[in-house]
Amino acid sequence: GAGVSQTPSNKVTEKGKYVELRCDPISGHTALYWYRQSLGQGPEFLIYFQGTGAADDSGLPNDRFFAVRPEGSVSTLKIQRTERGDSAVYLCASSRTGGKDTQYFGPGTRLTVL
Amino acid sequence: GQQLNQSPQSMFIQEGEDVSMNCTSSSIFNTWLWYKQDPGEGPVLLIALYKAGELTSNGRLTAQFGITRKDSFLNISASIPSDVGIYFCAGRTGEGAQKLVFGQGTRLTINP
Repeated sequence: GAGVSQTPSNKVTEKGKYVELRCDPISGHTALYWYRQSLGQGPEFLIYFQGTGAADDSGLPNDRFFAVRPEGSVSTLKIQRTERGDSAVYLCASSRTGGKDTQYFGPGTRLTVL
Repeated sequence: GQQLNQSPQSMFIQEGEDVSMNCTSSSIFNTWLWYKQDPGEGPVLLIALYKAGELTSNGRLTAQFGITRKDSFLNISASIPSDVGIYFCAGRTGEGAQKLVFGQGTRLTINP
């Protein structure tokens, strides 16, 4: 079946602009995760959704970052007033129910802030 | 925050050689995972370990969950060209923890 998909695959924006990154999880997966991967580093956790609610948002770096999952499927990561330091690959993952279930990752969105 | 120290950072080997990489932490983890990431792709799970001392194989890959719960290693036997990529260890700190903490990665390059 289809895996996790993310759009766009690449996004170039200017400092100060607003961006939205979209994640389509595997159908039927209730758990959804966002991670951020800087160049040469491993992914870093941002936020975890169980259904429609954010169960853990402890990884969001500041209040410019926000994520939603209004119908418990597609999720959107929103970044306001982008800064050059926000440049990274933003990865989305989903798992069947959470817990020890395998997290399946999408290909990521490469965000470049000029 | 929690950190996983992964070594080596990079490896250059000949095809057919065995590979070993490891991950250590100052904190206890109750789950250890090993992922592989190819360019332009997300990480793909290779092996999952859930109990201290557990040794698990997946084809030519073998991984162990350290007895102290603060380390893990991954071995790849008889490397082949498609093993090229970046390998990440990752862990979960508690039963209720959902998020994964990742190491910095080991970049594997194979000379044919």
